[in-house]
Amino acid sequence: AQKVTQAQTEISVVEKEDVTLDCVYETRDTTYYLFWYKQPPSGELVFLIRRNSFDEQNEISGRYSWNFQKSTSSFNFTITASQVVDSAVYFCALSEAWGTYKYIFGTGTRLKVLA
Amino acid sequence: DAGVIQSPRHEVTEMGQEVTLRCKPISGHDYLFWYRQTMMRGLELLIYFNNNVPIDDSGMPEDRFSAKMPNASFSTLKIQPSEPRDSAVYFCASSYGSGQASSYEQYFGPGTRLTVT
Repeated sequence: AQKVTQAQTEISVVEKEDVTLDCVYETRDTTYYLFWYKQPPSGELVFLIRRNSFDEQNEISGRYSWNFQKSTSSFNFTITASQVVDSAVYFCALSEAWGTYKYIFGTGTRLKVLA
Repeated sequence: DAGVIQSPRHEVTEMGQEVTLRCKPISGHDYLFWYRQTMMRGLELLIYFNNNVPIDDSGMPEDRFSAKMPNASFSTLKIQPSEPRDSAVYFCASSYGSGQASSYEQYFGPGTRLTVT
């Protein structure tokens, strides 16, 4: 069965600190996709990144970076020099390459960046 | 380009009333998903369509819920009769699948906050 675990329910940091949000997944599929979404206080869900299971290259986009490690089934998200605008709930999601086309979402991590 | 559009943004209704939520997907997207978000259950997929055809409705909680997609640019989620436990934020999302939908990211609408009193 597929499962996504975001063990950190809530994290608080002071502005300019670095913060890492953890995501651990379970799947029996050899090909799958991982995603991160941001849900700011306004409520919408914003797509951040997609990662294919066959591409373990880490990715950096501005202050955001993602570390994908198949050996530990993890897809962690780091925000460097956090800002107040980063305050949101962040969701990690998993989907199979074939079959149900469903996303399995984690329960989310609420990040509070304090000024 | 416009994103996914949902209406209404907020809906307050009394128990027993019919509620219709509307969604316009991103033009060119061939998959449409309806989700429900609550504090207790998180994000739940209710149903999804491919090329206007319902593919999987196993997440629809009960017969009071129904969804339609009469054309590529419009979908509705209807609850009849509504109950207080249906109170939640309902999201519509769309993606371009090209036969392998799960490989493509879903883009979400702003959501409809439904309150049933």
